[in-house]
Amino acid sequence: DTAVSQTPKYLVTQMGNDKSIKCEQNLGHDTMYWYKQDSKKFLKIMFSYNNKELIINETVPNRFSPKSPDKAHLNLHINSLELGDSAVYFCASSPFGVTEAFFGQGTRLTVV
Amino acid sequence: AQSVTQPDIHITVSEGASLELRCNYSYGATPYLFWYVQSPGQGLQLLLKYFSGDTLVQGIKGFEAEFKRSQSSFNLRKPSVHWSDAAEYFCAVGARDDKIIFGKGTRLHILP
Repeated sequence: DTAVSQTPKYLVTQMGNDKSIKCEQNLGHDTMYWYKQDSKKFLKIMFSYNNKELIINETVPNRFSPKSPDKAHLNLHINSLELGDSAVYFCASSPFGVTEAFFGQGTRLTVV
Repeated sequence: AQSVTQPDIHITVSEGASLELRCNYSYGATPYLFWYVQSPGQGLQLLLKYFSGDTLVQGIKGFEAEFKRSQSSFNLRKPSVHWSDAAEYFCAVGARDDKIIFGKGTRLHILP
């Protein structure tokens, strides 16, 4: 059983399109995150949700909109995609607050 | 502000040799500290964590790390590396506002 699963694993799209990445965790965790990993492997937090409520929003362009329909899901919608959005996006979850985070396999987004 | 520094971008060791990856953090209180490993094309896997107590912590795959408050360090060690240890290693610190901050990573190369 996959603990944190993301779909799709790969996403290639043209500039200007809108796309979504889905994330689901079956660990019963309260907190979920989105991280962006750039081409230099630097991991930067984008959003954090605790029990469906937005906790952290790290100066991310408002083209990025997370949505948490329930505490097991945290989806990421991106409007008007730009070349600079190309990266690997990781979803993660943790039991509460700052304990270890469990990561999904990542979604490699390529904007052409 | 919390931060994590991994001074070595790349480290190369011979198979069977010992390994130490350096990590320094900046945080105002006792931090939660983590080491994660990322194999190519994969998500992040937790190797070990420090929350409190014994400053020498054991992790999976034969790794250990030592928390030294006086040096603000949390270095990762392994007595004898295997070719399968080649990967990217991330040190991370847990912050009070539910954020896990990652260092920029150290790429480990193993010589046969």
